[in-house]
Amino acid sequence: DIQMTQSPSSLSASVGDRVTITCRASQSISNYLNWYQQRPGKAPKLLIYAASSLQSGVPSTFSGSGSGTDFTLTISSLQPEDFATYYCQQSYNTPRTFGQGTKVEIK
Amino acid sequence: QVQLQESGPGLVKPSETLSLSCTVSGGSISTNYWSWIRQPPGKGLEWIGYIYYSGSTNYNPSLKSRVTISVDTSKNQFSLKLSSVTAADTAVYYCAREGYDSPSYYYYYYMDVWGKGTTVTVSS
Repeated sequence: DIQMTQSPSSLSASVGDRVTITCRASQSISNYLNWYQQRPGKAPKLLIYAASSLQSGVPSTFSGSGSGTDFTLTISSLQPEDFATYYCQQSYNTPRTFGQGTKVEIK
Repeated sequence: QVQLQESGPGLVKPSETLSLSCTVSGGSISTNYWSWIRQPPGKGLEWIGYIYYSGSTNYNPSLKSRVTISVDTSKNQFSLKLSSVTAADTAVYYCAREGYDSPSYYYYYYMDVWGKGTTVTVSS
């Protein structure tokens, strides 16, 4: 199985801050990398697919980059509704695997 | 737009079989792959497996011996059975569609439509 490791596990930030979350794969996955947002008590929501493609309807404050084993999710200006947990997930092969999550909290 | 809804018992006894269904509305199940994912309380996401409408399946090796995913195209539903459950199987269970994009030669898969999730507790 491909292991996905996110850092940090949690972070505190203020509205308007720029936030960066990192995801590392245990082997090269090209750009088969997705990012999801999960608010408390809700299902995950797709933000980014293919490492950098913005899902329809997702604000342009979200962006993704990376290839191979190292990937980044950036929120350019944190909004109140962005406080949530973020997961990366590889779709290079099966079993599909997720990172452990990064919780973005209000400072 | 496509919507998914999980259904099934919220409480299952240890050693018994957990059974859940996912109803697809607003679209046909006869496209895409359809997945089950679970999330234990306070923990991360675990992919259980997926099925194609033709019946072809792919399971997480960690659960493969206990999992069966099936599809009923006449009802636009797919289902999950997990046998010999223990307390470690207590989780929110989600169904999801595996959508895809193919801007070039390659196909990029992602879970773009999710059900709201259903909580299953394993307890006597």
